[in-house]
Amino acid sequence: AQSVSQHNHHVILSEAASLELGCNYSYGGTVNLFWYVQYPGQHLQLLLKYFSGDPLVKGIKGFEAEFIKSKFSFNLRKPSVQWSDTAEYFCAVNARGGNMLTFGGGTRLMVKP
Amino acid sequence: DTEVTQTPKHLVMGMTNKKSLKCEQHMGHRAMYWYKQKAKKPPELMFVYSYEKLSINESVPSRFSPECPNSSLLNLHLHALQPEDSALYLCASSRSGTNNVGSEAFFGQGTRLTVV
Repeated sequence: AQSVSQHNHHVILSEAASLELGCNYSYGGTVNLFWYVQYPGQHLQLLLKYFSGDPLVKGIKGFEAEFIKSKFSFNLRKPSVQWSDTAEYFCAVNARGGNMLTFGGGTRLMVKP
Repeated sequence: DTEVTQTPKHLVMGMTNKKSLKCEQHMGHRAMYWYKQKAKKPPELMFVYSYEKLSINESVPSRFSPECPNSSLLNLHLHALQPEDSALYLCASSRSGTNNVGSEAFFGQGTRLTVV
């Protein structure tokens, strides 16, 4: 079975600071990787996804993530955060060819104006 | 149309009530999901339907009963719930993952359920 770990539970940054959120997964086979964001009171939205190819993927709102297979990691980055990035961020994984999407514990990001 | 629509948005029910949550998508997706999300926790998978057949049941108590009447609709029937079942119930859909390289899940806004 797959599992996902997010090491940062709460992150507080000032506007314009750089962001990196860690995500590690555990699964022996090929995986698809995702970052979802949940703004306060809103539904889960996809930020970006990795299926195959270039391990550096770019998503919406200036976010990017890098898949490092040797480290089983898929860290999320943004060079300069904004107050509107305040939200909860979830890393998720499913096994290639499977339907079981498993989420990490989430990281609550607060950006101070 | 990239929407997953869930009704109702809010539901309060007593422990002896029977109610149903509804989910609808018109993206042609053949996999549909129910997740449960408690406050400040990640979504937890409950059920997966693939091509209208139940493919995953994550040891969910029988007081939750899913139903997939057709490829666009997914229901969750609730009966004799407990207060600890109060949570946000999320529906999602994706192109079936069984044959595709990969497909992301699209989530609805959820039904906030309170059991009293």
